[in-house]
Amino acid sequence: EDKVVQSPLSLVVHEGDTVTLNCSYEVTNFRSLLWYKQEKKAPTFLFMLTSSGIEKKSGRLSSILDKKELFSILNITATQTGDSAVYLCAVRFYNNNDMRFGAGTRLTVKP
Amino acid sequence: DAGITQSPRYKITETGRQVTLMCHQTWSHSYMFWYRQDLGHGLRLIYYSAAADITDKGEVPDGYVVSRSKTENFPLTLESATRSQTSVYFCASSGTGGPSTDTQYFGPGTRLTVL
Repeated sequence: EDKVVQSPLSLVVHEGDTVTLNCSYEVTNFRSLLWYKQEKKAPTFLFMLTSSGIEKKSGRLSSILDKKELFSILNITATQTGDSAVYLCAVRFYNNNDMRFGAGTRLTVKP
Repeated sequence: DAGITQSPRYKITETGRQVTLMCHQTWSHSYMFWYRQDLGHGLRLIYYSAAADITDKGEVPDGYVVSRSKTENFPLTLESATRSQTSVYFCASSGTGGPSTDTQYFGPGTRLTVL
């Protein structure tokens, strides 16, 4: 059965801390892995990863994929209270356009 | 540019009633998706569509029906609503060709309560 597992499920840090969110997957016909940020509304796109070892970066956020070990990490440096959200990882399949989401990591950044 | 919109944003209905949730996108994206989001389950794909008149089941399709007569619209119908279908429903769309195909853009969601 295809599955996407995120860890930790929740995390509380203080402003300025660096956090690492994990996403592991066991799927057939992997096509791409995507990260989304969800605050009190719809998910918004952060990164799409298709190749191993190539870091994607956007400001204080970065992400990398390891297709051999079947996982991805999302790093956030110098966290701010505005980073508080649920971070979702999703895998897209090749043969169809199905997409499987992990349960998410709820990040709380305290001032 | 409206992007992707959903209506209604909130809906309360009773068990056994038919309910239709609307989704409209202005980007001419080929792909459209319906998800439900529940505590403890994250986002689960209900149905998706690759183009007008082409739809396919996702992870949790039972109890739902979709249609796509026009590229920009993708309504989701609950034929006979049940309490277990109380959820937040998100519509999403993605483009055609290359990486843009994989990046999904989400609508604001519809909170549905079935009494």
